[in-house]
Amino acid sequence: SYVLTQPPSVSVAPGKTARITCGGNNIGSKSVHWYQQKPGQAPVLVIYYDSDRPSGIPERFSGSNSGNTATLTISRVEAGDEADYYCQVWDTSSDHGVFGGGTKLTVL
Amino acid sequence: QVQLVESGGGLVKPGGSLRLSCAASGFTFSDYYMSWIRQAPGKGLEWVSYISSSSSNTNYADSVKGRFTISRDNAKNSLYLQMNSLRAEDTAVYYCARGGIVGAIVFDYWGQGTLVTVSS
Repeated sequence: SYVLTQPPSVSVAPGKTARITCGGNNIGSKSVHWYQQKPGQAPVLVIYYDSDRPSGIPERFSGSNSGNTATLTISRVEAGDEADYYCQVWDTSSDHGVFGGGTKLTVL
Repeated sequence: QVQLVESGGGLVKPGGSLRLSCAASGFTFSDYYMSWIRQAPGKGLEWVSYISSSSSNTNYADSVKGRFTISRDNAKNSLYLQMNSLRAEDTAVYYCARGGIVGAIVFDYWGQGTLVTVSS
């Protein structure tokens, strides 16, 4: 089965740029989606199809995907961005959804 | 606006059964694939199952295959998950999530979740 690997934690100072990676075998050939989850809340889609933003998601959130790594980039980080972030793909070979293990973003 | 509201969670003994429901509103339910996704306490997200818009296609995570059954009633705008032979490791918050029109692929709206606890 397809495996997605995320760092458990990323820390960043307010106003700086946070980059959260999602590794997978030839992930660049797949579409990657990113979710933000704050404590006690349901996940929210923040990036879909590698780099598209749903309406209502700030332009500070962006995504890229190439080779074996997809990246969620959060510019000008704010305290309110502190959350867990999950990457996700659809594995067409198994017809299963696959999530990364999640990354806890801490704003210092 | 799109709304998904889960219900049916609770405490059940190992080996027991439970049926979760998800009431959808604010969109044409019959056009969309739907999925169940769960999250064990303090853990990450795990996709559980999907069903196509017409119910013609379903699939399950290996961890629940043969024990869980997904279904939907488009006339009632409702999604279901029948969970049998429950185990302690099935303890989690269960979310229903909207997929796409052509496939489950991405989950753009989620419910608030319902907690299932499997314990003696």
